Amino acid sequence: NAGVMQNPRHLVRRRGQEARLRCSPMKGHSHVYWYRQLPEEGLKFMVYLQKENIIDESGMPKERFSAEFPKEGPSILRIQQVVRGDSAAYFCASSPPSNRDSGYTFGSGTRLTVV
Amino acid sequence: GESVGLHLPTLSVQEGDNSIINCAYSNSASDYFIWYKQESGKGPQFIIDIRSNMDKRQGQRVTVLLNKTVKHLSLQIAATQPGDSAVYFCAETYNAGNMLTFGGGTRLMVKP
Repeated sequence: NAGVMQNPRHLVRRRGQEARLRCSPMKGHSHVYWYRQLPEEGLKFMVYLQKENIIDESGMPKERFSAEFPKEGPSILRIQQVVRGDSAAYFCASSPPSNRDSGYTFGSGTRLTVV
Repeated sequence: GESVGLHLPTLSVQEGDNSIINCAYSNSASDYFIWYKQESGKGPQFIIDIRSNMDKRQGQRVTVLLNKTVKHLSLQIAATQPGDSAVYFCAETYNAGNMLTFGGGTRLMVKP
């Protein structure tokens, strides 16, 4: 079991470009969560997805950000027309339907730098 | 516990001593709490969790204490080792929901 896999580990984009961050959950996990972390701060919830379904996107900025978790393939967090303020570490976590046994399992994150 | 600061509070301890990391949470309806350890450049790693119907839970070298009256959570690490150096976050959730709210984090530094 390879755990939660995120790629790329590091991503550099120029202002105005698009960033695509990928997350493959652990085997058997059907729930995916995306969090953003600024330096020296805690993680902030962005979105919670199940296969083909967005359950809670209350933490997503209203514009330029979108997320999906298709029936096949990884979950994608997409940031259009990136700005410097989007620079952060983006973490994905996955859990089985009930996350009360051991919390989430987090990936190693994608560090986005906008130049 | 919303993250608000630009600089993490730091706890510096001597190797072999016990460490206590504290966390104040904000939502009195929260019913499930988790402590995570985050090393530099890595994702958060689950340490221990506790449900609101408990006030103490022990793991290997770690103990979590929950005081619902004052909405306070603590993580105790026994015989702290250099490998324990990391940032520690508490997280909470409520009403069988799945979204975690993270606290601001504490940096633990272990001196050899």
